[in-house]
Amino acid sequence: GQQLNQSPQSMFIQEGEDVSMNCTSSSIFNTWLWYKQDPGEGPVLLIALYKAGELTSNGRLTAQFGITRKDSFLNISASIPSDVGIYFCAGQLRGIQGAQKLVFGQGTRLTINP
Amino acid sequence: NAGVTQTPKFQVLKTGQSMTLQCAQDMNHEYMSWYRQDPGMGLRLIHYSVGAGITDQGEVPNGYNVSRSTTEDFPLRLLSAAPSQTSVYFCASSYFGGGNEKLFFGSGTQLSVL
Repeated sequence: GQQLNQSPQSMFIQEGEDVSMNCTSSSIFNTWLWYKQDPGEGPVLLIALYKAGELTSNGRLTAQFGITRKDSFLNISASIPSDVGIYFCAGQLRGIQGAQKLVFGQGTRLTINP
Repeated sequence: NAGVTQTPKFQVLKTGQSMTLQCAQDMNHEYMSWYRQDPGMGLRLIHYSVGAGITDQGEVPNGYNVSRSTTEDFPLRLLSAAPSQTSVYFCASSYFGGGNEKLFFGSGTQLSVL
């Protein structure tokens, strides 16, 4: 099946630092999504990317859809304690009746030292 | 709105036992899906549905059954639980319009099979 390689697997940073993580795949996706998961909760959508080359921001978060449609990155600027959690990338594929199926990366666990 | 509701929150089973994980959504979403989350593996799609009576397999369907008799409910059945099915299970739903979708996740069911 399709594989998404997300890196790094974990990050330990100081509050205020910038964060960068990325996902790559051997498959082409028509949409890239970035989610954040807090402990004991399900993932919550942060940013959705729909076009190759698209650069989208959501507050301190910026994500880009790679030109080849096989990769995406997420940057977080000036990290704060509430940014702690696990970040997942996901790529969308078509399933039955045109339904979109998501393939997830392995996740990046972000820890912030105050 | 309650959003996506999963029950139970926690469950312990013995090998060979059967059980059903419940998922309900009150947003009139056509698309519903089940994922399992394992350490270092991200989220993997088990089964999904695009409407009542229509289901399809995801990446890891073996050992799990689903049915969709109503728009609101999408139960996941384990007919004979195995230790390999120890995981955190997430149900997710979204609108299905043939375009790109944004999933709403439940808060998860933590299942241990002894």
